[in-house]
This record gives sequence, structure tokens and C-alpha cells, in this order.
Amino acid sequence: DGGITQSPKYLFRKEGQNVTLSCEQNLNHDAMYWYRQDPGQGLRLIYYSQIVNDFQKGDIAEGYSVSREKKESFPLTVTSAQKNPTAFYLCASSINGFTDTQYFGPGTRLTVL
Amino acid sequence: GENVEQHPSTLSVQEGDSAVIKCTYSDSASNYFPWYKQELGKRPQLIIDIRSNVGEKKDQRIAVTLNKTAKHFSLHITETQPEDSAVYFCAAGGGFKTIFGAGTRLFVKA
Repeated sequence: DGGITQSPKYLFRKEGQNVTLSCEQNLNHDAMYWYRQDPGQGLRLIYYSQIVNDFQKGDIAEGYSVSREKKESFPLTVTSAQKNPTAFYLCASSINGFTDTQYFGPGTRLTVL
Repeated sequence: GENVEQHPSTLSVQEGDSAVIKCTYSDSASNYFPWYKQELGKRPQLIIDIRSNVGEKKDQRIAVTLNKTAKHFSLHITETQPEDSAVYFCAAGGGFKTIFGAGTRLFVKA
């Protein structure tokens, strides 16, 4: 898991702003994921990508967007359409998108002011 | 849709006792079952995993058992220590098919 980094660690957003969370991995993993975790809750899948230039919506994609232009990078944009974005955001990666273990980044805590 | 149920949601044990967390899954095609430990404010970290061709796996004080017929799998922690206090998540499936349980908050009292 040391090969997955997220930045920033803390992020503050004013209402109406879009913000982008960074996720980078140097593990040569094909698949990458974004999860949202609310206090005391489990992990909910926002988006996933099995390969460069391809990504799919997860269970709670509304108000979020992603891109996968490079294998190493999978940034998440939280748009103003996401009405309750305050949460802990976790990025993960796996060797492939079908059967393998997911390894998580350290997370970004987003707070809306 | 497919889901994973995890019990209990909170577990408190005395240091040195054992802790058991149980999960059930609905997708009979699942063949990979990882367990993660998440400390407060940190990332979930893989602590042990098991594949469906194995019924039990052990790593020092941690063991996982799998009953594919009943679609149950469990995490066993023996000789618990205060540093075992954390939230534990079970999961079924791999890759984008991974479904996580809701988590168990384990408190180990010294």
C-alpha cells in the first residue's frame, strides 16, 4: 500500500466549488477505485477504472467525475452537484479489476465550509 | 443486489481473550474473501485473505475460516492486544466486484 499516494490529506471546499482529489500509484496496477467513507460507516464505491481511458460508475457516482488518462493516475473531481460531499475519500488499486486484492491510499478528508 | 452482512457491529473484549467477527455473503460466485483493519483516520490495510479452494488460513494470531456451502466466513483473533483495537471490514469478491461489509468496531480493554 505504500505505492499509492493521495493528496491533499485535508481539503476544504466552499459551497459551489469543484475540487479535485489526486490519486497516484506506482504499483503498475491496471485497476483503480474511488470510495467514500462517512463517519462510522463502511465503504461505498464511487467510480472504478479497469484500464486506461476507461472507467465505470459505482454505487454513488452522482456529483462526481473521474478521468484515467495515465495508468498511474486516477483523479476524482467533486462537483458542486454533490450536495453532501463532506467525507473521507479513499483511492485503491488492484493488479486487475476482476479477482485481485485492493490496496488503499492514505485518504483525503474533504470538508465543506 | 449482492451484499455482505457483518456481525457484530461493535465488539468489546478483555486483553488476552479471543475475538470473532462473522460475515455472510449472497453472491455464490464469490471466490475471494479479504479482511481489512482500519485504525482511526487511516487507510484500510489487508490483514488476511482466503480463496474459495481453502477452508481455513492462519497467520500468527489471526485466522479466517470459510464455509462456502453456507456462504459464511469468519475472522478469529486470539490473544487480543490493545493495538488490535480498530474497525475490521470483511469483503467478498475481488477487483471491481468487491463488496464490503459495514465493519466491526473492536475494542480491546487492557
